[in-house]
Amino acid sequence: DAGVTQSPTHLIKTRGQHVTLRCSPISGHKSVSWYQQVLGQGPQFIFQYYEKEERGRGNFPDRFSARQFPNYSSELNVNALLLGDSALYLCASSSPGLAGGTQQWQYFGPGTRLTVT
Amino acid sequence: AQSVTQLDSQVPVFEEAPVELRCNYSSSVSVYLFWYVQYPNQGLQLLLKYLSGSTLVESINGFEAEFNKSQTSFHLRKPSVHISDTAEYFCAVSLMFSGGYNKLIFGAGTRLAVHP
Repeated sequence: DAGVTQSPTHLIKTRGQHVTLRCSPISGHKSVSWYQQVLGQGPQFIFQYYEKEERGRGNFPDRFSARQFPNYSSELNVNALLLGDSALYLCASSSPGLAGGTQQWQYFGPGTRLTVT
Repeated sequence: AQSVTQLDSQVPVFEEAPVELRCNYSSSVSVYLFWYVQYPNQGLQLLLKYLSGSTLVESINGFEAEFNKSQTSFHLRKPSVHISDTAEYFCAVSLMFSGGYNKLIFGAGTRLAVHP
């Protein structure tokens, strides 16, 4: 089975522009989470979606938004880009938990490298 | 609040030598702990996980980690490293939301550099 896929691989945008990143989870996984990894740091949680609903949100401004589609794929949108938004954006998926919710561990895609100039 | 501290930002080691990458966490509730590995220009790969049961967990490529509740640690070890183990290693803890959902909280990472 294919792992988590993300597109595009790389992206260069100018300050003030808008960007959309896409993610497809592992087949059978219903949850998608987004993380931001700034160079030299660990990933920081942005959102988790399950069954098309937002289940958790990290400490990011409202310029960041996301959605999940009926096929469980997801988009991350960032408006009014700032230089500080330059990072590797990681998508992760997880399968349903035995007692509801999701499993504790997540599988990551290769990421989208966003550069804001 | 839960947090993860990786005590070494870089660990240089010679090939075939043993290595330990240190991780400490803070949590007042049950913990689920993970080690992820990130090779250059790639995403994160799950290396091993501790959910419950035996405090020693092993991966298929020779790494092991031991959950120590009293010391709130989850150190990663390998008795003999290879050049191919050169990568960034991240320790993570799962933080639960209501409804059984969760996010991962990561440490800052440890860069393991294996030299011939």
